[in-house]
Amino acid sequence: SQTIHQWPATLVQPVGSPLSLECTVEGTSNPNLYWYRQAAGRGLQLLFYSVGIGQISSEVPQNLSASRPQDRQFILSSKKLLLSDSGFYLCAWRLYGRAGELFFGEGSRLTVL
Amino acid sequence: GDSVTQMEGPVTLSEEAFLTINCTYTATGYPSLFWYVQYPGEGLQLLLKATKADDKGSNKGFEATYRKETTSFHLEKGSVQVSDSAVYFCALQANAGGTSYGKLTFGQGTILTVHP
Repeated sequence: SQTIHQWPATLVQPVGSPLSLECTVEGTSNPNLYWYRQAAGRGLQLLFYSVGIGQISSEVPQNLSASRPQDRQFILSSKKLLLSDSGFYLCAWRLYGRAGELFFGEGSRLTVL
Repeated sequence: GDSVTQMEGPVTLSEEAFLTINCTYTATGYPSLFWYVQYPGEGLQLLLKATKADDKGSNKGFEATYRKETTSFHLEKGSVQVSDSAVYFCALQANAGGTSYGKLTFGQGTILTVHP
């Protein structure tokens, strides 16, 4: 069966520090991968998606970047965090060509101080 | 662009009460519609879905019917339990000739609290 893991689960970082959140999927190949952010009191905003290794699409301009160095690995990064980067980050995957359901990881809660 | 609007929360109910969470959407074409649930401290789980007009999605006693004429997908449950306390998200996936890449557009979420 397929599983998705994110880490770290919780992170507290000072403003201006770098960020790296990692997501891996097991039990499937060539998934579509997604990074969403859930800010406090707000819904989910799609940040990035990827349909293959090295292929990244950005949905909103921001202080973050994403990379997909391997088929089942998706990394969210920042060189210098801002206070506004605080939130709950969710990675998700979907089988290519299969309409609908996204499977979400457990999430990573980032607090920037 | 596509958008999803959910009723404002939080919603507080007593156990065994009837639940309705309203969801309306704006999209071109014929999107697929979803309800996801997020329990405290966890990621999102798919609760139910409907892929075409008049379809009814159901799971764990929850139901929602895809109403194209009113562009709605309201979530209902006849008798809620304390364990249903969570955040509920309505979402759509555009069927844009295969170029949507599976992206979901979410509503803002509705917090549900059920008291014993």
